[in-house]
Amino acid sequence: GEDVEQSLFLSVREGDSSVINCTYTDSSSTYLYWYKQEPGAGLQLLTYIFSNMDMKQDQRLTVLLNKKDKHLSLRIADTQTGDSAIYFCAESNSGGYQKVTFGIGTKLQVIP
Amino acid sequence: DTGVSQNPRHKITKRGQNVTFRCDPISEHNRLYWYRQTLGQGPEFLTYFQNEAQLEKSRLLSDRFSAERPKGSFSTLEIQRTEQGDSAMYLCASSTRTGGPGLAKNIQYFGAGTRLSVL
Repeated sequence: GEDVEQSLFLSVREGDSSVINCTYTDSSSTYLYWYKQEPGAGLQLLTYIFSNMDMKQDQRLTVLLNKKDKHLSLRIADTQTGDSAIYFCAESNSGGYQKVTFGIGTKLQVIP
Repeated sequence: DTGVSQNPRHKITKRGQNVTFRCDPISEHNRLYWYRQTLGQGPEFLTYFQNEAQLEKSRLLSDRFSAERPKGSFSTLEIQRTEQGDSAMYLCASSTRTGGPGLAKNIQYFGAGTRLSVL
């Protein structure tokens, strides 16, 4: 079945770049996502990438996809204290009902 | 449109009681999903509606859980005879295959969730 794995914790200094990594197992994944969750809140869609792309940039966010290795990363440039949150990697495919499968989440701590 | 709306935001109940949550999707989104998120975990899929039809249910959805989407608009998730293990955040998401202004097709947009605490 589908599985998404990511590291549990990342700590960076304010102003540095953060890189959060993720691996997934479903070779039929069509959409790959990064969601952000602040304490007690719902999920905020940060960005997504189609499986036929290898990179997507959106302001401070850069997503890299290595489809061969099933590896996805999220780079946050100039990390700010407001970026402190849990970041979920997720995937879905284009068939059926497109259930999204999430990783366990990476907690990003930004040190001032 | 202000996005996916969920009510209530928090619910505290005693074990054995019934609870019902409501989700209002983004208007014109014909697909609606329920997920459950326990502490320290990622969300897990529970069930899916396309318009008013419930097309998929996870094995996580025991017979104490029931979801409806009358008329294909808002949805309710009811838990009967709640147990302490039901304590979690219940998240709703919606999507559309056609997309719209500022909204991508096939991408699920989530509400803020309903946090359930069963005492």
